Amino acid sequence: DTEVTQTPKHLVMGMTNKKSLKCEQHMGHRAMYWYKQKAKKPPELMFVYSYEKLSINESVPSRFSPECPNSSLLNLHLHALQPEDSALYLCASSRLPTPRGGEETQYFGPGTRLLVL
Amino acid sequence: AQRVTQPEKLLSVFKGAPVELKCNYSYSGSPELFWYVQYSRQRLQLLLRHISRESIKGFTADLNKGETSFHLKKPFAQEEDSAMYYCALREPYSSASKIIFGSGTRLSIRP
Repeated sequence: DTEVTQTPKHLVMGMTNKKSLKCEQHMGHRAMYWYKQKAKKPPELMFVYSYEKLSINESVPSRFSPECPNSSLLNLHLHALQPEDSALYLCASSRLPTPRGGEETQYFGPGTRLLVL
Repeated sequence: AQRVTQPEKLLSVFKGAPVELKCNYSYSGSPELFWYVQYSRQRLQLLLRHISRESIKGFTADLNKGETSFHLKKPFAQEEDSAMYYCALREPYSSASKIIFGSGTRLSIRP
C-alpha cells in the first residue's frame, strides 16, 4: 500500500461543532504532517509528528488539535472553527532521516475539503 | 529566512513548445530542492528532486547554486502537462523535515 488516505473527503461544519479529520498510511513512515491549503495558494505546514510525538507546531491556533494514536494514524480535531478556517486540509507522510541517509519524500493524501459556516 | 520564489503565477505555452518554470530560493545551508505537481482533481505529488538528477515525464531541473535557482524545463510541452507546479525546499530538522513551498505556477498548454 503506497497511498495516504484521508476521510472525510468533504466536511461542512458550524462554528460550534466538534469534528475530526482522519489520515492513514501503511507505508511504515514514522513522520506525518498536516497542511492547510487555501484556494490558489501553496500548502502551509501546520503540524509535524515524528515517532508519534509532536515535533513541529507552526503556531497553529488551539482550535486545531492534532493527535497521533499510532504510527499509521493521524487525526486533526476541530472545535470552534471560524469561517476563515475553510480550506483543503492535506495530510502527508514520509520516512525519517537516518545516519545512512535515504529518501524522505513526502507522500500526500487527497485532502479533506472543509467548509465552516 | 528560507524562502522559495516562483515569479510566474501563470504560464501559457503552445503544445510542442519548450517550457521553463522559474524557481529561485534563499537558504543559508545546502538546500534540497523539489518540484511538486498537482493535476486537476488529483493529489499533490512529487515530480522530481534535485538529488536524483533524473528526468520525469520529460522534465528536468538543475540546481544552480550560483544563481540560487532550480528552474523546471521540458523541451516539448504536452497537453497533459497542464497543472499547478510548486517548487519546494526541504528544511531538515533533527527529527523530521519541513517543506517550504513556493507560491506555485499554473502551467496551461494550448493545443
